[in-house]
Amino acid sequence: EPEVTQTPSHQVTQMGQEVILRCVPISNHLYFYWYRQILGQKVEFLVSFYNNEISEKSEIFDDQFSVERPDGSNFTLKIRSTKLEDSAMYFCASSEAGTGNEKLFFGSGTQLSVL
Amino acid sequence: AQSVAQPEDQVNVAEGNPLTVKCTYSVSGNPYLFWYVQYPNRGLQFLLKYITGDNLVKGSYGFEAEFNKSQTSFHLKKPSALVSDSALYFCAVRDYNQGGKLIFGQGTELSVKP
Repeated sequence: EPEVTQTPSHQVTQMGQEVILRCVPISNHLYFYWYRQILGQKVEFLVSFYNNEISEKSEIFDDQFSVERPDGSNFTLKIRSTKLEDSAMYFCASSEAGTGNEKLFFGSGTQLSVL
Repeated sequence: AQSVAQPEDQVNVAEGNPLTVKCTYSVSGNPYLFWYVQYPNRGLQFLLKYITGDNLVKGSYGFEAEFNKSQTSFHLKKPSALVSDSALYFCAVRDYNQGGKLIFGQGTELSVKP
């Protein structure tokens, strides 16, 4: 089965630093997502992206966050100035379609630790 | 707003016994419901979905889920649990809006003991 790949698997950074989390969605998928999971908590939606623009974003996704599809394959999440509370597992996901019965395919995640 | 709830943080069962992981939902209109599983240090893996049709949906690894419209539930079941089924299980509903984000429940940790 095709996979969504995420790099790095672990990222440690100092508070205030910028981080970029990288994802390679499945090649024929058109919709892309970022989710995060703080330790012990539920998986939370951050942002969805389609046709080179944000479709929807949650209240978590403030001005410190941005997403980009810089080329035909990568999908990145940038956190401009990290805070301690940004420490979480970040999951990238993709789907062929944006609604209906299409399942989302998730990557294995990037564990971000902000010190 | 659409939402799902998983009333149990943890479910413990003995190997070989049937298991049920509960989920209730709140949506306007017809729901698109999903179950995902998360093994330690892994991403979320799709188990099964309900879109329309038969209320009993069969999925991966012998799991099934029963859609009950009157009770607004979508419980995950398996007739005979395995130790390897121990993982975190998430129920989710897919948003109708463009972009179709998944909205997850809080997760239920399933522990299957030998």
